[in-house]
Amino acid sequence: QSALTQPASVSGSPGQSITISCTGTSSDVGGYNLVSWYQQNPGKAPKLIIYEINKRPSGVSNRFSGSRSGNTASLTISGLQAEDEADYYCCSYAGSSMVFGGGTKLTVL
Amino acid sequence: QVPLVESGGGVVQPGGSRRLSCAASAFTFSSYGMHWVRQAPGKGLEWVAFVRYDGTKQYYADSVKGRFTISRDNSKNTLYLQMNSLRAEDTAVYYCAKETQLEALDAFEIWGQGTMVTVSS
Repeated sequence: QSALTQPASVSGSPGQSITISCTGTSSDVGGYNLVSWYQQNPGKAPKLIIYEINKRPSGVSNRFSGSRSGNTASLTISGLQAEDEADYYCCSYAGSSMVFGGGTKLTVL
Repeated sequence: QVPLVESGGGVVQPGGSRRLSCAASAFTFSSYGMHWVRQAPGKGLEWVAFVRYDGTKQYYADSVKGRFTISRDNSKNTLYLQMNSLRAEDTAVYYCAKETQLEALDAFEIWGQGTMVTVSS
């Protein structure tokens, strides 16, 4: 159950697009179509924004999109807005368990 | 109506026990798997445990296996986490979360507000 690898921080200006990577192994990210992404604002509970690699829950902006290539999943946020500044976590099924990434702090410049 | 409300957090001594509860509403509790996820102060998220919709199967993170027990009472729409042999490294905010699926581990669709557990003498 080793944690997935995410960059500690990313930044972008309003209107730009950013991508957050999430690297695992063939036993988690690369082995199942069960990667999800969460947005967490300070002092708040996480919020599901992407599940099953690229599906958006109802109510989540279509500026958020997910993808996967091999053992690396990615979250792309297009048209960055100030309200997107938050921590983002990826998560994957890992065979009878779930494993999170270490989290990425997104700063909107 | 807040879908998930945790309770039971507090300060407990190392080696002690604590039981957390999570009251569910606004969805059919008995139709979904449920998780516990924790977050140590200033740290990232860590999955703790999962229980199937009917309570007949549980999965645990290696870090809590043999010490924590997840269970549910569908007649009371309540999820539990019994924590024994607590250690300082168990100090965290504990969230309960609704799974998107009946019995598979997929994603955490709805989260509670969390309850803080501090293990300290």
